[in-house]
Amino acid sequence: EIVMTQSPATLSVSPGERATLSCRASQSVSSNLAWYQQKPGQAPRLLIYGASTRATGIPARFSGSGSGTEFTLTISSLQSEDFAVYYCQQYNNWPPGTFGQGTRLEIK
Amino acid sequence: EVQLVESGGGLVQPGGSLRLSCAASGFTFSSYAMHWVRQAPGKGLEYVSAISSNGGSTYYANSVKGRFTISRDNSKNTLYLQMGSLRAEDMAVYYCARVRRQWLARGAFDIWGQGTMVTVSS
Repeated sequence: EIVMTQSPATLSVSPGERATLSCRASQSVSSNLAWYQQKPGQAPRLLIYGASTRATGIPARFSGSGSGTEFTLTISSLQSEDFAVYYCQQYNNWPPGTFGQGTRLEIK
Repeated sequence: EVQLVESGGGLVQPGGSLRLSCAASGFTFSSYAMHWVRQAPGKGLEYVSAISSNGGSTYYANSVKGRFTISRDNSKNTLYLQMGSLRAEDMAVYYCARVRRQWLARGAFDIWGQGTMVTVSS
């Protein structure tokens, strides 16, 4: 089973600044990686799939990059509504589609 | 509107059983593989189970294998998770989710339900 490791566990950033979140796979997952955003009391929301394609309705300030084992989610200019927990998920070696442990993005 | 609505959660004693349902609307349910993902209180997301679009193939995480059964009724646009021999570690919010692309079993999950809470306690 592929292990997904996200870093950092918590990231403190000021509104308007850039946030960079990382996700590493224990073996190559090609570009079969998704990013999700989860706010308290809500279901996860798909942000990025295929490592770099924004899902429907996702603002352009969210971007994904990487392939193989190293991936990055970048939020270019943080808005108040972006502070949440972010998860990566690989779906290359399926089953299962393993999730990372999450990165909590908090207001600095 | 495309949506998934879970139901069936609640309080159950250790060793007990529960059946979760996930009602789909706004899309051709029979064309999509479906999945269950759970989240224990204050914890991350854990993949639980999956079923192909026609119900012919299923998958279970090791943590639930032999105790949970996933099924679907495409005539009712509904996904199920029959949970048995419940343990304290099964306590979580259970989400159903749809794979983004039709017919494929794997992929990103583009539609999620709101979740249903399962509490295992005596």
